[in-house]
Parts: sequence; structure tokens; C-alpha cells
Amino acid sequence: ELKVEQNPLFLSMQEGKNYTIYCNYSTTSDRLYWYRQDPGKSLESLFVLLSNGAVKQEGRLMASLDTKARLSTLHITAAVHDLSATYFCAVDTTGGYQKVTFGIGTKLQVIP
Amino acid sequence: DGGITQSPKYLFRKEGQNVTLSCEQNLNHDAMYWYRQDPGQGLRLIYYSQIVNDFQKGDIAEGYSVSREKKESFPLTVTSAQKNPTAFYLCASSENSGTGVGYTFGSGTRLTVV
Repeated sequence: ELKVEQNPLFLSMQEGKNYTIYCNYSTTSDRLYWYRQDPGKSLESLFVLLSNGAVKQEGRLMASLDTKARLSTLHITAAVHDLSATYFCAVDTTGGYQKVTFGIGTKLQVIP
Repeated sequence: DGGITQSPKYLFRKEGQNVTLSCEQNLNHDAMYWYRQDPGQGLRLIYYSQIVNDFQKGDIAEGYSVSREKKESFPLTVTSAQKNPTAFYLCASSENSGTGVGYTFGSGTRLTVV
């Protein structure tokens, strides 16, 4: 059974600081996704990582994938309050079709 | 614009009642999914469907039923057998082409038992 673990589960940080969220998974996969969820809202796709060594950046967020270590990171640079949300990683091991397993989420709170 | 529409946004269910949550997509996606989210929890898969007239149980299918009569539609029925249905329900869709672009999510339905 695939397990997807995120840490930390809760992160409170000051504006302007940097931090990294980690996503570990237990089975070989080369497809990993990051989503953002605002309170009471749906999930918004942030990044799609499809190969070992993949790195994607959007604004103050950067995601990377190391399939050998079964690890993805979501790095936050110079955090701003608008980044406050819950971030989920999700892993797809199915190849031809997609049935992904989600981590429990990391709730990020950026304090002004 | 293409997307997924879930309705209603809020739904109240009395004890012993069956209710149906609607999910419609116009993305021409083959696969559709239902997830349940409880406060402070991740997403748990209820049912998924890769093609019309076929669907598979997910991790927490007990007390739920689905149908997939049309490619665009994947309604979820929460039956009276589901003892704790209060949760946020999310529908999603994806291509089956293996391109790995991930899911597109609907806006969700918040179900409350009264």
C-alpha cells in the first residue's frame, strides 16, 4: 500500500522567511503533484513533476522531485501572507491511468 | 471554459435519508473520482471511474454508491448506511492518456447531517 507522508503538518512562519515542506512516499513513482487548498475551497493544482530531478517554480514556490529518494520538496522563498493555505502532495503510481494517493496536507500560516 | 461543476454547494441531510451529489465535467476527461475530506484530514477516495458504465470502489466506499451512464456525469449517492456522512466532498476528473497532468477538481459540496 502506497503511503504518502508530509512534514511538517503545521507550519507557522513570519513573512519574509524561507521554509521547506517535505513529501515522502513509499513506492516507486515518477509522478508527483502539489496542490493548494484555501479554507473551505477546492484544490488548485500548483505543480506537476513527471521525472527524476524535475524542478518547477512559480513565484515564491519551487517544487522538486527526487525519485530515487522518493522525496519531493516544496520550497517557500520570502513568504507572504497570501501563501497561507494547506498544501497537499499527491503521488501517482498507476502509469496508464491516474489514481493518486494524497498526503494529509501541510497547513501553512504566514504571520505578517 | 471547461471545468467541473458540483452541486449543490451545501446540502443538509436528515437521518435515514439518501442524498445525491452532482458532478458534471465538460473537459472530455475519461476518468472521474469522488473524494471525501474531513476537517484537518487529507483526501480519501470513495469511488472512481475510468470509462462509462464502469467504476471501482476506493478506500472508503461503504455507504456510498455511484453511476457513470454518461462520460460527463458521475453522481454520488450518500445512503442511509453511511453513518457519519458530514464532510466536504470533492469530485475530480483526469485524462486516461497517461500524460500525468493530474486532476482537475470541482468546487466541492459540503454535506451536513441535521
